[in-house]
Amino acid sequence: AQSVTQLGSHVSVSEGALVLLRCNYSSSVPPYLFWYVQYPNQGLQLLLKYTTGATLVKGINGFEAEFKKSETSFHLTKPSAHMSDAAEYFCAVSATGGYQKVTFGTGTKLQVIP
Amino acid sequence: DTGVSQDPRHKITKRGQNVTFRCDPISEHNRLYWYRQTLGQGPEFLTYFQNEAQLEKSRLLSDRFSAERPKGSFSTLEIQRTEQGDSAMYLCASSLALGQVSGNTIYFGEGSWLTVV
Repeated sequence: AQSVTQLGSHVSVSEGALVLLRCNYSSSVPPYLFWYVQYPNQGLQLLLKYTTGATLVKGINGFEAEFKKSETSFHLTKPSAHMSDAAEYFCAVSATGGYQKVTFGTGTKLQVIP
Repeated sequence: DTGVSQDPRHKITKRGQNVTFRCDPISEHNRLYWYRQTLGQGPEFLTYFQNEAQLEKSRLLSDRFSAERPKGSFSTLEIQRTEQGDSAMYLCASSLALGQVSGNTIYFGEGSWLTVV
């Protein structure tokens, strides 16, 4: 069984400030971890993923996330927020092996204040 | 690469009517998934196909829901006797099997919004 907890359903940051979106996971086997972004009335776009290897993962649009096994965390960061980053962000987990059923968190809505 | 395509993007229907959504996955992808997303929630898994075989169905998928993937290409999701609680966005996604290039990444379509009135 696997699950994801996203801390904070809404996060507000000023333009140019650090973005930190928190994600903790639970998985009985080594996980694959993902961050997706969703703009209003659109589907999900993959930002980045962790499968194996380097624990610091870089994605699109300047985002990165670090897999910390000891903390069961996969927090998403971006050094400087841009207005275009305003969207909803979903952390997700799937188990290694099997058919990759992906379990999503409830999402964090990011607001960027000018 | 045209991505995952879903049709229609929006559907408004009266309670009790049947609706069908279509999904065209990325052409070389052998795995196809359906998810449902309601307002303020993350996507919830509904069902999964490997080629034409439907290998798992969530308990969220009641008897009124049926999904098919004939010939392992496009897929349809039909909802019979729609209820107001079925109002949601239905997301289709596809991926390659693990071990293949670009495996482990699921690509989502734009979603099909259903409103039951």
